[in-house]
Amino acid sequence: EVQLVESGGGLIQPGGSLRLSCAASGFGFSDYSMNWVRQAPGKGLEWVSFISSTSSTTYYTASVEGRFTISRDNAKKSLYLQMNSLSAEDTAVYYCARETFPFGVTVAPYGMDVWGQGTTVTVSS
Amino acid sequence: DIQMTQSPSSLSASVGDRVTITCRASQNIGDYVNWYQKKPGKAPKVLIYGVSSLQSGVPSRFSGSRSGADFTLTISSLQPEDFATYYCQQGHGSPPITFGRGTRLEI
Repeated sequence: EVQLVESGGGLIQPGGSLRLSCAASGFGFSDYSMNWVRQAPGKGLEWVSFISSTSSTTYYTASVEGRFTISRDNAKKSLYLQMNSLSAEDTAVYYCARETFPFGVTVAPYGMDVWGQGTTVTVSS
Repeated sequence: DIQMTQSPSSLSASVGDRVTITCRASQNIGDYVNWYQKKPGKAPKVLIYGVSSLQSGVPSRFSGSRSGADFTLTISSLQPEDFATYYCQQGHGSPPITFGRGTRLEI
């Protein structure tokens, strides 16, 4: 079964750091670019970050640039999001998501077809 | 950044109705528009990619089309399980990719 499972969310104080993980199974992880997408409470979907299959290309939305770092370990079939200097505006459910087609170098031209169940990040004192 | 203006923001309908949801792009985005269904507590599910291609396993009552800068998701005959929030997403060129604000489809 093709599956993504996120972990690492939790309650964190403003200014703190958190590392999210996403474990992939059931498909050739190293062939696919991956994304992180979040949804704040009561809000819509917001793309956060992208990493190509070989890690050669990464992109970030402006609000997290310089604070978040996306990475992957193809040998471990895992995707990560290191989040630093967290603020209340980062409170959201974070999803990892697979690009619909393999070997893509642009972000989701044909969408994202496999998603994890999400992990909740709450930034509050 | 490319804006996707999605309308309506909410929609009341009944089982069996035909409904349409529209997104207008703020600039040319070619055919890189995708549609998702989102239910509370669940992950988004891609329905349509590349304007009109039906994702595998998605019922044929869902369809997508384009007219100029307007992109439309149509559900031909609403089923009870279709009541959810729907999002368009553009994936043209340089990031960021952007989603529409969503359409809440309710009874």
